[in-house]
Amino acid sequence: DADVTQTPRNRITKTGKRIMLECSQTKGHDRMYWYRQDPGLGLRLIYYSFDVKDINKGEISDGYSVSRQAQAKFSLSLESAIPNQTALYFCATSDWGTGSADTQYFGPGTRLTVL
Amino acid sequence: KQEVTQIPAALSVPEGENLVLNCSFTDSAIYNLQWFRQDPGKGLTSLLLIQSSQREQTSGRLNASLDKSSGRSTLYIAASQPGDSATYLCAVYNTDKLIFGTGTRLQVFP
Repeated sequence: DADVTQTPRNRITKTGKRIMLECSQTKGHDRMYWYRQDPGLGLRLIYYSFDVKDINKGEISDGYSVSRQAQAKFSLSLESAIPNQTALYFCATSDWGTGSADTQYFGPGTRLTVL
Repeated sequence: KQEVTQIPAALSVPEGENLVLNCSFTDSAIYNLQWFRQDPGKGLTSLLLIQSSQREQTSGRLNASLDKSSGRSTLYIAASQPGDSATYLCAVYNTDKLIFGTGTRLQVFP
């Protein structure tokens, strides 16, 4: 089984709808991240969490919210989806201070299309 | 603000060639630099991580170097194979987050 899973893998929705993307990990890592990837722009950080009680905004948090329900679960919500949020979304985890020094492990991605 | 640039954006080479991918960054105050591989429609796989105090890391046919003072890293791929075809991303870690470049799309043809 994959260490970092994302659901759904693909989603098509309409403008104005509320969407939740979910991420689960079995690596036991404290740190979790949400990124979006757009052609020509690389990956950009949306939100990150260093533990269950810690949530931080990333580079492009406007229009998004997150919830860290447990160490293993980190969900991303689009309260009112708009077409320019069409992108590939990735969840990642890392375990700081283990010697691997914050290698990040990525999920397979969720392709979101907002019509 | 940290900016990460990768050159070239795309590269096509015949099988067996040795090749170099380049990554540059504007702020040398990094904690580490990481190279990732991304296959089409897939997530990212970590290839190599270089701590800021290190000069290079090697894994199999891959060798990554880091020159913090000049803000540069290179990923050297020896004896390229068609299975190496993918997008290669570098990312620098500072201020609690990774900043990614836009990637180099590599195609190795038989």
